[in-house]
Amino acid sequence: DADVTQTPRNRITKTGKRIMLECSQTKGHDRMYWYRQDPGLGLQLIYYSFDVKDINKGEISDGYSVSRQAQAKFSLSLESAIPNQTALYFCATSDGAKNIQYFGAGTRLSVL
Amino acid sequence: RKEVEQDPGPFNVPEGATVAFNCTYSNSASQSFFWYRQDCRKEPKLLMSVYSSGNEDGRFTAQLNRASQYISLLIRDSKLSDSATYLCVVTLNTGNQFYFGTGTSLTVIP
Repeated sequence: DADVTQTPRNRITKTGKRIMLECSQTKGHDRMYWYRQDPGLGLQLIYYSFDVKDINKGEISDGYSVSRQAQAKFSLSLESAIPNQTALYFCATSDGAKNIQYFGAGTRLSVL
Repeated sequence: RKEVEQDPGPFNVPEGATVAFNCTYSNSASQSFFWYRQDCRKEPKLLMSVYSSGNEDGRFTAQLNRASQYISLLIRDSKLSDSATYLCVVTLNTGNQFYFGTGTSLTVIP
């Protein structure tokens, strides 16, 4: 089983819909991150969390929100999806010591 | 100015060739440096950390030049399986955020 699991793996939705992407991890890491990846732009940080009660905005948080329900779970929500949010989304964890990130397999989101 | 910049390539090299990638970073407070590998439509995975003294892992050698603010990755004796996108990653001394380059695409040709 994967250490960092993202669901769903693929999602097609319509403009204006609210959707949630889920991430869970079994690595026991405190730090969790959400990124989006667009062709030619690399990974951009959306939100990150260092603890259950800690939420921080990244470079591109507008239009997104997150919830850290437990140490192992970090979900990303698009309150009202728009087409330019079509991208590949990755969740990642880090132990904060070696600063190595471990990624989930990604969620491919299409907003029509 | 981007925190991390890489030549996107693509680099197309024959099997057995040696290829090198460079990456520059803009913030002199950067503390930790990494190379990640990303296969098409897959998640990034750590290839190697980059230490000040330089480090080697088999056919891969990573170097850090703090004075010029760049890191490099050298791949010797390229294999077909090395074909991927290589991402340069930098963190600041707080370790709070990771900054990713856009990646350098490598294709090893038979």
